[in-house]
Amino acid sequence: GAGVSQSPRYKVAKRGQDVALRCDPISGHVSLFWYQQALGQGPEFLTYFQNEAQLDKSGLPSDRFFAERPEGSVSTLKIQRTQQEDSAVYLCASSLYRGQTYEQYFGPGTRLTVT
Amino acid sequence: SQELEQSPQSLIVQEGKNLTINCTSSKTLYGLYWYKQKYGEGLIFLMMLQKGGEEKSHEKITAKLDEKKQQSSLHITASQPSHAGIYLCGADISSNYKLTFGKGTLLTVNP
Repeated sequence: GAGVSQSPRYKVAKRGQDVALRCDPISGHVSLFWYQQALGQGPEFLTYFQNEAQLDKSGLPSDRFFAERPEGSVSTLKIQRTQQEDSAVYLCASSLYRGQTYEQYFGPGTRLTVT
Repeated sequence: SQELEQSPQSLIVQEGKNLTINCTSSKTLYGLYWYKQKYGEGLIFLMMLQKGGEEKSHEKITAKLDEKKQQSSLHITASQPSHAGIYLCGADISSNYKLTFGKGTLLTVNP
């Protein structure tokens, strides 16, 4: 079956531009996560959705970051007024349900470069 | 301080050799995940361990979680060039759902 997909795979933005990153989770997966991975580091948690509800956004680095999942399936991570420090790979993961029993499957990521 | 420590940071081995990567935490790991990542790509799920003392194997890769659930190891037997990549351990250390990751181990396998 299809895995987690993300688009675009690569995005170059000029500082100050807004960007939108899309995640298509595995069909039927209730839980959806966004992580940010800086070069040479492990992924860091940004936010978590259970169906359409955003239950945890404690990892979002600033109020320029906004995520939504309006119908409980596709999710979009939006970054307003991008800054150079936003350059990273943004990874989306989904799991059947939340909790340590359920594996999180990751998409290929979107590499964002802010110039 | 890093909540999950991985060692070594990088590893170069000759094809056919065995190797071990470690992942350590000062906290209890409620779920421990091993992923593999190639440059520019997403994380490929390898194995998940939950119970103290648990051990899982897939092909030539074996992962173990110690009894205290604070340390895990990933062992590759008879390494091949296809094993090359970055190995990441991720863990649920808060007993909820979000994963905390180590910095990764870069594995190079020379033919």
